[in-house]
Amino acid sequence: GDQVEQSPSALSLHEGTGSALRCNFTTTMRAVQWFRKNSRGSLINLFYLASGTKENGRLKSAFDSKERYSTLHIRDAQLEDSGTYFCAAEDMGYKLTFGTGTSLLVDP
Amino acid sequence: AQTIHQWPVAEIKAVGSPLSLGCTIKGKSSPNLYWYWQATGGTLQQLFYSITVGQVESVVQLNLSASRPKDDQFILSTEKLLLSHSGFYLCAWSQTGGARAEQFFGPGTRLTVL
Repeated sequence: GDQVEQSPSALSLHEGTGSALRCNFTTTMRAVQWFRKNSRGSLINLFYLASGTKENGRLKSAFDSKERYSTLHIRDAQLEDSGTYFCAAEDMGYKLTFGTGTSLLVDP
Repeated sequence: AQTIHQWPVAEIKAVGSPLSLGCTIKGKSSPNLYWYWQATGGTLQQLFYSITVGQVESVVQLNLSASRPKDDQFILSTEKLLLSHSGFYLCAWSQTGGARAEQFFGPGTRLTVL
């Protein structure tokens, strides 16, 4: 079946620095979503992309359907950015397949 | 604005007992609706989706069933719970009119089966 490989599984950043999360897809996907887990375990929407790039504050995401990957860049990381981030890829139907998540820790 | 509610917030049930989890969407007409499940330490998996009242498609077989009795309501149920049903259940909605649409998630229900 469709697979979404998310990396890294864990990431530690110093405040003010940046890095990127990446999701690779085993098949062509129609769109990708990026989420952050909230304190209850539900999901906060960060980005939805069918192509190209989107930016929101210190976050920027890109999706390349042909090359089968998506990235989430975090710049100038703040303590409150700590948490778990997920990508999820939408196939040509109604299925959304999730990555395994990246646990981000931002320290002072 | 659209709001999505799930009930109950949490449930502790015995193996072999029945289960019914609910989800309602307010402020959106004819949404696509979805059920997801995450075992502790596992990956979130899509279980069911529904694009209209009375129609539900199964994505993963987990001895669960889903129904959509009303436009704004999605129910997940089973007559006999298994230990493996424990986990976190999320309902989601997306705009109707096609499969390409951002999904928005409810607050979730945490189920513990003993």
